[in-house]
Amino acid sequence: AQKITQTQPGMFVQEKEAVTLDCTYDTSDPSYGLFWYKQPSSGEMIFLIYQGSYDQQNATEGRYSLNFQKARKSANLVISASQLGDSAMYFCAMRERMNTGFQKLVFGTGTRLLVSP
Amino acid sequence: NAGVMQNPRHLVRRRGQEARLRCSPMKGHSHVYWYRQLPEEGLKFMVYLQKENIIDESGMPKERFSAEFPKEGPSILRIQQVVRGDSAAYFCASSPLGTGGTYEQYFGPGTRLTVT
Repeated sequence: AQKITQTQPGMFVQEKEAVTLDCTYDTSDPSYGLFWYKQPSSGEMIFLIYQGSYDQQNATEGRYSLNFQKARKSANLVISASQLGDSAMYFCAMRERMNTGFQKLVFGTGTRLLVSP
Repeated sequence: NAGVMQNPRHLVRRRGQEARLRCSPMKGHSHVYWYRQLPEEGLKFMVYLQKENIIDESGMPKERFSAEFPKEGPSILRIQQVVRGDSAAYFCASSPLGTGGTYEQYFGPGTRLTVT
């Protein structure tokens, strides 16, 4: 079963507009963490934002905010005031506990965002 | 404060050769994770190591792949007798905490392996 689902293979947005990238997750662990990473064409993985399962407030980092709806198991990324440099692949990930008790990241398949002038 | 370093950034190997990928974690980090990203896919966990210990290798293919993180020096991911299906980007990540908390894993730039 998919642990992280990103249903939007591609998204288009005009510069200065806001855009929401969808992410739903599946876990039975009451304690988990959700992450968003950006992967530009150069290939590196850039950490954007983190939300803990017990956090009361939605996480925000500059122009990035995470719309965390725990009951619906969704953790959508909202990018406000899009910039051309935001064009990239965006990955949602969940920290999952392994059998050893340690944790790994499980990634979705990504959403390619294209920002047009 | 240097980030996670990986080398080489690009590696080309013929089928049957060995590939050695290196990862130096961030200063002060003693936990290393390796992930593989096949073309047009997300990253998939391979192995988690601490110094001189493999903690979890549940994502490693059973054959030809091995990883180590010696007391001194970088972590090494070794792929023996490479095949075309091994072509992928291999990412290393490090963290100061292995069992949770809010510490995200800091990723290196990746090594892109091409098997011809």
